[in-house]
Amino acid sequence: GAVVSQHPSRVICKSGTSVKIECRSLDFQATTMFWYRQFPKKSLMLMATSNEGSKATYEQGVEKDKFLINHASLTLSTLTVTSAHPEDSSFYICSARDPSGSKDTQYFGPGTRLTVL
Amino acid sequence: QKEVEQNSGPLSVPEGAIASLNCTYSDRGSQSFFWYRQYSGKSPELIMFIYSNGDKEDGRFTAQLNKASQYVSLLIRDSQPSDSATYLCAVNFGNEKLTFGTGTRLTIIP
Repeated sequence: GAVVSQHPSRVICKSGTSVKIECRSLDFQATTMFWYRQFPKKSLMLMATSNEGSKATYEQGVEKDKFLINHASLTLSTLTVTSAHPEDSSFYICSARDPSGSKDTQYFGPGTRLTVL
Repeated sequence: QKEVEQNSGPLSVPEGAIASLNCTYSDRGSQSFFWYRQYSGKSPELIMFIYSNGDKEDGRFTAQLNKASQYVSLLIRDSQPSDSATYLCAVNFGNEKLTFGTGTRLTIIP
């Protein structure tokens, strides 16, 4: 159980374009999802907490107008990187919390590797 | 500042031996603790969680928690080459978010 999927797994885009990443909980309903970013050989950095039906909560230093998060249903959250630039190239990973499982446990999606040319 | 500290390694352990990974955290009131394994280029996968002081065993893995010392560890018995990965310690400081350590890179030597 507790399977989280992400799509796409890899994307290459030109500078200035927008990229949408989807995160789905496949076998449970997730009222809360999280978006992380990880640069090579660095640890996970939480970008934002996504709550179904309400606005996302962004971590300090993360531009909410650049990283748009929508959590329209209990199984889907999306992250849109707007006007992407090469410095946005990173590994983006979502996680979801299964409310029926052990408290606070987060299950991660497989990640999306974004390369901005 | 709520922090989670891990030795970045690399930690090299012979195949079949016990690997010991350590983690300290800054907030004595923390309630839940997690160990994730991350292979290179992949996302983290949950190994274990622990909430209470003492040991918790799951197969070859044992998590140990000492809240008084603000210390949580992961022991891997009978280490296998497939255990070579980065191990991330994560702590919930009471606000639904997890704070991750920088990870310890473990290499099992055949």
